Amino acid sequence: EPEVTQTPSHQVTQMGQEVILRCVPISNHLYFYWYRQILGQKVEFLVSFYNNEISEKSEIFDDQFSVERPDGSNFTLKIRSTKLEDSAMYFCAGLKRKGYEQYFGPGTRLTVT
Amino acid sequence: LAKTTQPISMDSYEGQEVNITCSHNNIATNDYITWYQQFPSQGPRFIIQGYKTKVTNEVASLFIPADRKSSTLSLPRVSLSDTAVYYCLVGDINQAGTALIFGKGTTLSVSS
Repeated sequence: EPEVTQTPSHQVTQMGQEVILRCVPISNHLYFYWYRQILGQKVEFLVSFYNNEISEKSEIFDDQFSVERPDGSNFTLKIRSTKLEDSAMYFCAGLKRKGYEQYFGPGTRLTVT
Repeated sequence: LAKTTQPISMDSYEGQEVNITCSHNNIATNDYITWYQQFPSQGPRFIIQGYKTKVTNEVASLFIPADRKSSTLSLPRVSLSDTAVYYCLVGDINQAGTALIFGKGTTLSVSS
């Protein structure tokens, strides 16, 4: 069964540094998402992406964040200048078409020191 | 999206049936009820979805009464590996690409 993959599994970075989190969604999915989960808290929606553009974003997704799908397979989340409060698990997800059955990746644990 | 309310936590023993109820009094006509499961340090996983009455798959059953203002996720004969957080989500699945809005979910702890 195809799976969503994410790299790296764990990233440690210093405050103010840029990080890029990578995801390879399932190949026939059309909608792509980034979520984050701060330790002990709920899963929070960041951004959705369809047809090579952002379709929806939350208040969390400010100017420090950007997404792109550079080559038709990878889906990336960039944080330009990390803050301590960006420390969280970041999950990529995909959706084949409309509906609620999203497929999540295993996550990247981002630690900002 | 309809607001949902579910217990914060539940405890069970191996081999028991576990029922987790979710209240969604403001559910709309086009809304479906979807349940996700999240193991520690993993991404959420879709487990079941329904509109009315009963839905069953290899993982769980979902019971939805006629008024649809609540739903119950039933896990038969739980094992230690069913320890996870279970999320109830309600929304119109026919809207393309809708983001999932998770609540705090129900933390199920299964012990031997």
